[in-house]
Amino acid sequence: DQQVKQNSPSLSVQEGRISILNCDYTNSMFDYFLWYKKYPAEGPTFLISISSIKDKNEDGRFTVFLNKSAKHLSLHIVPSQPGDSAVYFCAASAGSGAGSYQLTFGKGTKLSVIP
Amino acid sequence: IAGITQAPTSQILAAGRRMTLRCTQDMRHNAMYWYRQDLGLGLRLIHYSNTAGTTGKGEVPDGYSVSRANTDDFPLTLASAVPSQTSVYFCASGAGGTGANVLTFGAGSRLTVL
Repeated sequence: DQQVKQNSPSLSVQEGRISILNCDYTNSMFDYFLWYKKYPAEGPTFLISISSIKDKNEDGRFTVFLNKSAKHLSLHIVPSQPGDSAVYFCAASAGSGAGSYQLTFGKGTKLSVIP
Repeated sequence: IAGITQAPTSQILAAGRRMTLRCTQDMRHNAMYWYRQDLGLGLRLIHYSNTAGTTGKGEVPDGYSVSRANTDDFPLTLASAVPSQTSVYFCASGAGGTGANVLTFGAGSRLTVL
């Protein structure tokens, strides 16, 4: 059973417009959510995170929104730039209290920003 | 530059051979992880270690083993490689503790089993 779902394998956006990447989850125990960005032939790099007690976190052009009741989060990139073209992974963790700090990842969404 | 070093970068291996992927971190992170990335399947956790001397199984542990003799090193061993283990393998580390567990990833090891 996939606990973190990214239902859109790919997304194309014009440069300067908004990119919205979506992620759904099923595990109510998740208390932190993270977005990673991955370029070809490189490892994933951390982009932004949000705690389950918040509904929004912003860092420059990147904003993550969390809707706990819908078990849904989204990453907004405004304005989109060609350098943002990459695969974006949504990830979640169920907290440190259990002694395990694993991240569960979605399958990723490939974003293409068209100049 | 602080981070994670993985070796080899790429390897072609005959089925049935033994292979160890190496991973070293210099950030003194407590926790380390091995993920595999396959097209359409995202990143799946193979094994993890919350601290030196302990290891645990992730989502897809069969056919793999790990050890954590010290804080810095976390090798992944395929005892007898099979073609379904063809993948890109990423090692990662994280400080753990409270808050978001931000993982730092290595550049990956591309393994092809023929």
